[in-house]
Amino acid sequence: KAGVTQTPRYLIKTRGQQVTLSCSPISGHRSVSWYQQTPGQGLQFLFEYFSETQRNKGNFPGRFSGRQFSNSRSEMNVSTLELGDSALYLCASSTPGGALGNTIYFGEGSWLTVV
Amino acid sequence: DQQVKQNSPSLSVQEGRISILNCDYTNSMFDYFLWYKKYPAEGPTFLISISSIKDKNEDGRFTVFLNKSAKHLSLHIVPSQPGDSAVYFCAASGDKVIFGPGTSLSVIP
Repeated sequence: KAGVTQTPRYLIKTRGQQVTLSCSPISGHRSVSWYQQTPGQGLQFLFEYFSETQRNKGNFPGRFSGRQFSNSRSEMNVSTLELGDSALYLCASSTPGGALGNTIYFGEGSWLTVV
Repeated sequence: DQQVKQNSPSLSVQEGRISILNCDYTNSMFDYFLWYKKYPAEGPTFLISISSIKDKNEDGRFTVFLNKSAKHLSLHIVPSQPGDSAVYFCAASGDKVIFGPGTSLSVIP
């Protein structure tokens, strides 16, 4: 069974640009969550999607957005990039019941560098 | 407001000894707790979990203990091996899954 797949793995963007990251969950998983990890910080929760609906959102500005498609694949978008957005962005999927009370499984992450 | 805390940023343990990683949480609504291990440049890997109705869960060398009254959980690794050297994240699940800041474990051969 394939794991969580994230693309691209590495990317460099310039301040002010926007970026879209993609995530394919484990087959059969309907919940996808996104996290940001920066040096010295833990995994900061961005948002969770379940059956194409955003179910939870973390404390990030509106520049961070996401969506989920009918096949459970998800994308997250960051607009007007700032230097502080440089981070590892992690996608996780969970068992059919959703992330609550279930184990979430992570992808390898997308390393974003903003210059 | 940090709902999940790991107060030790780092820990060093001799190979073969016990590693104890601690985690505290503030929200009594959390009902499911997880531990993840992360190597550099990789995504976190699930290790072990525990439901709030239990106080202990064991899987091989890994045991997680939960003290609900103290809002505290710990991960015990026995015996510790050099390959266990990684960052360990504690996570708590309520209406969303919240992670602690991580503890970097070094197991010294």
